[in-house]
Formats: sequence, C-alpha cells, structure tokens
Amino acid sequence: QAVLTQPSSLSASPGASASLTCTLRSGINVGTYSIYWYQQKPGSPPQYLLRYKSDSDKQQGSGVPSRFSGSKDASANAGILLISGLQSDDEADYYCMIGHSSAWVFGGGTKLTVL
Amino acid sequence: EVQLVESGGGLVQPGGSLRLSCAASGFIFSNYWMAWVRQAPGKGLEWVANIKQDGSEKNYVDSVKGRFTISRDNAQISLYLQMNSLRAEDTAVYYCARDHYGVLEYWGQGTLVTVSS
Repeated sequence: QAVLTQPSSLSASPGASASLTCTLRSGINVGTYSIYWYQQKPGSPPQYLLRYKSDSDKQQGSGVPSRFSGSKDASANAGILLISGLQSDDEADYYCMIGHSSAWVFGGGTKLTVL
Repeated sequence: EVQLVESGGGLVQPGGSLRLSCAASGFIFSNYWMAWVRQAPGKGLEWVANIKQDGSEKNYVDSVKGRFTISRDNAQISLYLQMNSLRAEDTAVYYCARDHYGVLEYWGQGTLVTVSS
C-alpha cells in the first residue's frame, strides 16, 4: 500500500471550491506530519503551494493566494488542500508530500479539471 | 533571482551511467539542502535524493540506493547526481530543487534521461 494516496482526478466548476485529499497509509498518523502541497501545470516544473501541520503551524508559499489552504481530517487520516473560488488557471496536477523514514514521499497526484 | 539549471541528460543504454549537474545561482547555495526529484513520462513526481548543506548527510529513495550518488560542490555552486547501472524504469525528467526542510520552493526546468537500447 502506498504511503500517500490521492484520487487520480477531480472536477469542479469555476467559482466553486475543491477539496483535494491525501490519505496516509494505515499506521502513519496524519497528526504527526506536515503535509506539503505542490501544483504542476503541463510542461512546467512543480510549484510549492503550502505546508500544513496544524492551524498554528502552517506556511503559505510565496505569492500563493489565500484561496489555497490546508487542513486535516483526522478521522480519515488525511491531509486536505482546499481551493476556493476556483479559476480556470487552477486546472493542474496537485501533489501532496510528507517526510517519512528519512525520505520525502509524494502522493500519486490529483488532476484537477475546472469546467 | 534564484535559478537552477540542470544538464547532462540524454539517451543511455541499460546498465550504463550518466552524471547530471545542476548549476545554482541567486542564493547562498551552501545554506540549503538540495534535492533531485524525477518524473517519468506521463507519471507523477518521485523524490530521488537529497543532500545536506555541507554534504555530510545524504538520503535516497530505496529504488536508487547503491546505484545513484548525490553530491555537491559548494565552491562551484553545483549539485550532481551520478547514476550507475541505469534501468528502463529510471527514464524520467530529473529536476533539481532547493530543499528547505521539505519546502521545494525553487526548481529547475529539468533534464530528460532516457534509458533504452
């Protein structure tokens, strides 16, 4: 079982909100980890969005709009990237990442379609 | 302006070797961890390795341990990835990135490595 699992795709309408989940493998407690989120558009390297561990321990990437925010769902053992006020420009692949066993581990990514 | 420029990619036969370089500028290179991340064609991101500011600590993904070696030259402001015993599954775009405790805020444009006979 992968360390991090993300849904492969998600669709949402312009102006709506999208909630992208990143589920940690059973036995890895989301509460103890910072979750990093990256956005990647076709033909470009990834861009760092934010880090979220808790409401009191989080960091927004430089120039990243406040429409992008992080949270956790402890009951689901998952990190969440919430994008509000969706714009067509938000259409991209989104990856979560954690530090685990002296390595950085990425999730498989979610392709967000805005239509 | 922070810039990271990778080079050294290309076509190599299975079992062959390749050395990637990443030239950095616009920041104090010796103050940061650095990392390599790869992306196979049409696939997701995979962290490959990272190295501490002074080179004293290195970490690798299991799939490359014993085959790849990350190194840096702070005087030359450069990061390297020596790749030996290459396999088809190593085919990917390889990105170097500045690693500030997981915040990979700056990335190069990547260099393509193709392992094929």
